[in-house]
Amino acid sequence: GAGVSQSPRYKVTKRGQDVALRCDPISGHVSLYWYRQALGQGPEFLTYFNYEAQQDKSGLPNDRFSAERPEGSISTLTIQRTEQRDSAMYRCASSSGLAGDSTDTQYFGPGTRLTVL
Amino acid sequence: GQNIDQPTEMTATEGAIVQINCTYQTSGFNGLFWYQQHAGEAPTFLSYNVLDGLEEKGRFSSFLSRSKGYSYLLLKELQMKDSASYLCAVLDSNYQLIWGAGTKLIIKP
Repeated sequence: GAGVSQSPRYKVTKRGQDVALRCDPISGHVSLYWYRQALGQGPEFLTYFNYEAQQDKSGLPNDRFSAERPEGSISTLTIQRTEQRDSAMYRCASSSGLAGDSTDTQYFGPGTRLTVL
Repeated sequence: GQNIDQPTEMTATEGAIVQINCTYQTSGFNGLFWYQQHAGEAPTFLSYNVLDGLEEKGRFSSFLSRSKGYSYLLLKELQMKDSASYLCAVLDSNYQLIWGAGTKLIIKP
């Protein structure tokens, strides 16, 4: 596609529910990143993929968070048993170069605003 | 630890020039990025510096001094649409982006 897309753009859920956030990167981009961004802050790294391989998940807050990219394109970030503290903007970015080995620019999607009630 | 510092907020006048500073302390350095982020929108790429010196791109310029761990973004002929947050980010030795909290730039007529 022309840019990185994410869905849904807004998600409101009740505490304890699971949510799945989707990212569709720029076509042909090999690396994909997930970030969380609080208001007035820079993006906080969560995890990244090169193709379908998850290379670094050191930024995932706890084991309720997981991500996959099974075919090396679309990625899903899943949060199980959501808590109010999970409320944030979740952003996805993609890059043409290999993550962990490249200075290529990351291009960001519009984000998913998650609100946990 | 790794640290990126930039001012929280700056105010400037339409038509003027503003310089947004960024200082960094990171484990390794593979380049520094500046992104612009309008309220409620995604960060968009502005510039990338890996060598010392000034990179000019239209009304925007970015400067880097690796020995000082310092960069600035210079915006000339400010327009109201330049009101946004400006994020400084450094690519560390693991090629991971370390982000500053951003500088909110307010442009007044």
